[in-house]
Amino acid sequence: GAVVSQHPSWVICKSGTSVKIECRSLDFQATTMFWYRQFPKQSLMLMATSNEGSKATYEQGVEKDKFLINHASLTLSTLTVTSAHPEDSSFYICSAAGQGGQETQYFGPGTRLLVL
Amino acid sequence: GQQLNQSPQSMFIQEGEDVSMNCTSSSIFNTWLWYKQEPGEGPVLLIALYKAGELTSNGRLTAQFGITRKDSFLNISASIPSDVGIYFCAGQLAGNEKLTFGTGTRLTIIP
Repeated sequence: GAVVSQHPSWVICKSGTSVKIECRSLDFQATTMFWYRQFPKQSLMLMATSNEGSKATYEQGVEKDKFLINHASLTLSTLTVTSAHPEDSSFYICSAAGQGGQETQYFGPGTRLLVL
Repeated sequence: GQQLNQSPQSMFIQEGEDVSMNCTSSSIFNTWLWYKQEPGEGPVLLIALYKAGELTSNGRLTAQFGITRKDSFLNISASIPSDVGIYFCAGQLAGNEKLTFGTGTRLTIIP
């Protein structure tokens, strides 16, 4: 099956620093990648949709200047949380899909972010 | 954003029992998906449903796409300890890549 990896798996940082999370599709080309955020005991909430070579589309209420997304290749998308604050602490999960996102989304293992 | 309502919110069952959970929406979807998430992991796809009325099995799991296209259910037969986790439904519209996730059903198996 399709494999999606994320790096790092967890990160602890000080308030005000920026954190970059990578999402890679290991054995297929992902034309579309999705970034989700999941708070404890809650469901996954879509933050943004990222298409290779174009700007990401953000969901309502998600600050594009705070959550920078880059999808420069068909196998890599990055999410940078800029000037992180404790309220940004969460579980960030990416998913990847081929063929313009119409194929099945395969999820990464997630990255747990703790901002002190 | 929109969420799908899942019930029950949590279940405590004994090993060997059958499990049934459902997912409802106020709007229709063209695809229904069921995922399982274990602690500290991303969701793993269990079953995908593409047509209203479709009934699909994957081992001990069976899921159905409701006729109204506004609901779906998932059954697990003869539960085993490794079934523990959170089960999420997700809906997808035709021509729209985005998934809308349900609120989740947390399954705990009592020894």
